[in-house]
Amino acid sequence: DGGITQSPKYLFRKEGQNVTLSCEQNLNHDAMYWYRQDPGQGLRLIYYSQIVNDFQKGDIAEGYSVSREKKESFPLTVTSAQKNPTAFYLCASTPGQGKNEQFFGPGTRLTVL
Amino acid sequence: GQSLEQPSEVTAVEGAIVQINCTYQTSGFYGLSWYQQHDGGAPTFLSYNALDGLEETGRFSSFLSRSDSYGYLLLQELQMKDSASYFCAVRVRHGSSNTGKLIFGQGTTLQVKP
Repeated sequence: DGGITQSPKYLFRKEGQNVTLSCEQNLNHDAMYWYRQDPGQGLRLIYYSQIVNDFQKGDIAEGYSVSREKKESFPLTVTSAQKNPTAFYLCASTPGQGKNEQFFGPGTRLTVL
Repeated sequence: GQSLEQPSEVTAVEGAIVQINCTYQTSGFYGLSWYQQHDGGAPTFLSYNALDGLEETGRFSSFLSRSDSYGYLLLQELQMKDSASYFCAVRVRHGSSNTGKLIFGQGTTLQVKP
């Protein structure tokens, strides 16, 4: 079954700790994205990557970091510099090359205590 | 800046037709997408309009007017399972990206009543 997996579904961390959220896809998609969603709000783009070893900042990149060492994987690190890290984090991918549909993973709900 | 506006809530009865509007102010516009998200779930793609006009996919249709910076999602023969949040999202040019990026609206919560 092809798709995008994110783990874990729920994550709790203490304030001041860095935490890494995983995102894996077996769709052979070139482009991958990280979004943040707050209650009752739309999605805001954190980072995206079009190809391996390359990524660009989105609209709210401060306090986050990413890597793209493999085509299948695009982990997101929420650092202690992120002021309000509690949110629902969604990973997505597209085939790239002008394809418009983004496929989303199930999301990780991060709570910082 | 870039902004999108859509109504926060819409209520309709089963079997009815509902239209969710979206107006946008952007630069480097490529097209308008619609996504559905059930409570606690992941967004799923519904449609994409790059050109003016109406695109129909089953019970759902989407319309775009580039000159008016306006689009809408039309849901027909509403079913209880259509109760969800619906997001419009504009695809816009971004740096050297050949895919651009998506900017999402705040979402419209649709409640379908029996």
